[in-house]
Amino acid sequence: QQPVQSPQAVILREGEDAVINCSSSKALYSVHWYRQKHGEAPVFLMILLKGGEQKGHEKISASFNEKKQQSSLYLTASQLSYSGTYFCGTEMTGNTGKLIFGQGTTLQVKP
Amino acid sequence: SAVISQKPSRDICQRGTSLTIQCQVDSQVTMMFWYRQQPGQSLTLIATANQGSEATYESGFVIDKFPISRPNLTFSTLTVSNLSPEDSSIYLCSASRTFSTDTQYFGPGTRLTVL
Repeated sequence: QQPVQSPQAVILREGEDAVINCSSSKALYSVHWYRQKHGEAPVFLMILLKGGEQKGHEKISASFNEKKQQSSLYLTASQLSYSGTYFCGTEMTGNTGKLIFGQGTTLQVKP
Repeated sequence: SAVISQKPSRDICQRGTSLTIQCQVDSQVTMMFWYRQQPGQSLTLIATANQGSEATYESGFVIDKFPISRPNLTFSTLTVSNLSPEDSSIYLCSASRTFSTDTQYFGPGTRLTVL
């Protein structure tokens, strides 16, 4: 039931792009994306809802394919501050807040 | 947004004792959640705590081991009882403003080490 994230780790140079994928074997109501830096709280990035609505506030985009139960997070023109571990959290039933998190993708951006 | 603080930030406890973790939100929220995270690993939901009702626990977590209180709309506690080394982990609380699918804001976590 835990969603699978890919890749597990990625190393980028500043300005390069990255895509992180999140795939579930179960139907999803929503997908939530977070970034966590070492020793810190996870920070909210995006919510993608069934039906296509997106909520987010950073210069990062994402997509949600409901039929395939997949979501992708797009990081363009990466900055050093993008380094961290990215988690997708999946919600199976709407309006419960119960998130099942993927195993995480570690992103390192180098100068 | 919501700012969440947790106390203590870390603790070292003896086997067989208990630790109570406090979670304070700077504004009223509807749903609060407790997660466990092994260092370098993913987050696992322990329970959902809504004010005025009993906490609901996820599979593998029971009230006797992880009693939770939610006395008001800004505060919750998680107690980890009868500690064993396997309970060593980071415990995080999160909060959501509404009962609908919404942003969850996370606290900084409490790092527990059991000797």
